Amino acid sequence: KAGVTQTPRYLIKTRGQQVTLSCSPISGHRSVSWYQQTPGQGLQFLFEYFSETQRNKGNFPGRFSGRQFSNSRSEMNVSTLELGDSALYLCASRTENEQFFGPGTRLTVL
Amino acid sequence: LAKTTQPISMDSYEGQEVNITCSHNNIATNDYITWYQQFPSQGPRFIIQGYKTKVTNEVASLFIPADRKSSTLSLPRVSLSDTAVYYCLVGGLYNFNKFYFGSGTKLNVKP
Repeated sequence: KAGVTQTPRYLIKTRGQQVTLSCSPISGHRSVSWYQQTPGQGLQFLFEYFSETQRNKGNFPGRFSGRQFSNSRSEMNVSTLELGDSALYLCASRTENEQFFGPGTRLTVL
Repeated sequence: LAKTTQPISMDSYEGQEVNITCSHNNIATNDYITWYQQFPSQGPRFIIQGYKTKVTNEVASLFIPADRKSSTLSLPRVSLSDTAVYYCLVGGLYNFNKFYFGSGTKLNVKP
């Protein structure tokens, strides 16, 4: 089985712009979660989608949003980018008791 | 959320056994303990998971005392490629996405 894939792998944006990141889960997995990882804050949970519905949400501002499609693929959007949004954004899909992470998208905001 | 405390970093030499201990005083009755490994610019990779006593797989062992307030990840005979950050997570088996990752332990394996 193919693993979790994320596109793009690297992205450079400027402040005020918006960005959309994409995640394709492992075939058959219906849950997709998003995390932000920075050197200062570590790995923080953003939100989880299951069957096209947001099931859990972390403590991030409304600029961070996501959605999930009927094929379980998910997108994450960040609007009005700030310098502090520079991070590695990780997507994960899971079975009932194991979570599999993708390679991440490295976002740099200038 | 049950938070965890781990050493920030550890050094070891190739061929040695490494034990990384994690403290989780507020673990709930239905919480499981899971360890992940992460290399730079990659997503975390599942290593091992357990609820109590001892769990062993092909890469590691997990020791959990009776009170479950701590756990120890044991890596036998580490190699240079085991240099990575190791995260201890505590959470419900069906609530992965409320796991608290913490800062992890940076393991540095020297030749």
